[in-house]
Amino acid sequence: LAKTTQPISMDSYEGQEVNITCSHNNIATNDYITWYQQFPSQGPRFIIQGYKTKVTNEVASLFIPADRKSSTLSLPRVSLSDTAVYYCLVGAGGFKTIFGAGTRLFVKA
Amino acid sequence: DVKVTQSSRYLVKRTGEKVFLECVQDMDHENMFWYRQDPGLGLRLIYFSYDVKMKEKGDIPEGYSVSREKKERFSLILESASTNQTSMYLCASIRKRGGSYNEQFFGPGTRLTVL
Repeated sequence: LAKTTQPISMDSYEGQEVNITCSHNNIATNDYITWYQQFPSQGPRFIIQGYKTKVTNEVASLFIPADRKSSTLSLPRVSLSDTAVYYCLVGAGGFKTIFGAGTRLFVKA
Repeated sequence: DVKVTQSSRYLVKRTGEKVFLECVQDMDHENMFWYRQDPGLGLRLIYFSYDVKMKEKGDIPEGYSVSREKKERFSLILESASTNQTSMYLCASIRKRGGSYNEQFFGPGTRLTVL
C-alpha cells in the first residue's frame, strides 16, 4: 500500500483558493488517488478521485502530474464551512486503505 | 440516499465490560469496515469483512472481534474494554467492484469512553 505524506495543517481566509498537496512516491500502476473530507464529530466524506491529469467536480479539482508521485487538491474560494480535515488516500480495490493523519484546514473570516 | 448508521453516538463503559458497537448499511454493500480514530493518528483499520461470516484483520485488531451474520450488519466487539480503547469508532461500507478504488461511505461515528 502506498504511503502518503501531506501537511499537518493549513490556514486560509474566506474567498481564497486552497491547494493541499499530497506526496505518494510509491504509488502503484493500478492505484487511484482519492480525497476525503471530515468535519468534527462526523465520518469522512468522499470528495474526489482521479487516476491521472485533472479531475473536476462541483466541490474541488484534483491535479495529478504525469509521474503520479504527488497530487494536489484544489478548493476554489473557500468558506468557513470548508474548515475540516482532508485526507489523501492511494489504493485500488478499497479493501485495505490507509488514512493518514490528514491535513487540518482552518478557514478564517 | 445511501446510509450507514451506528447504534450509538456516545457510549460510556467501565473497564472490563463487554461492549458491542453495531453498524448497519442500507446499500447492499458487500464490504464493511471498522476504524478507530485518535487525535494525530488518523483512521486506523481494526477489521473488515468482505462477505457474510467473512472477516479479515486490519492493522490494529488486538482487543477486538467482529461479527457479520447478515450482509447489512457488522458488529465490533470489545471483549473486555480497557481505557486505551477510549476512542472514536467509525464504520464504513463499499460495494464490491473490481478496478478502481471504491468510495467508502462512513457512519457518523461512536465516541466510546472507557472509565
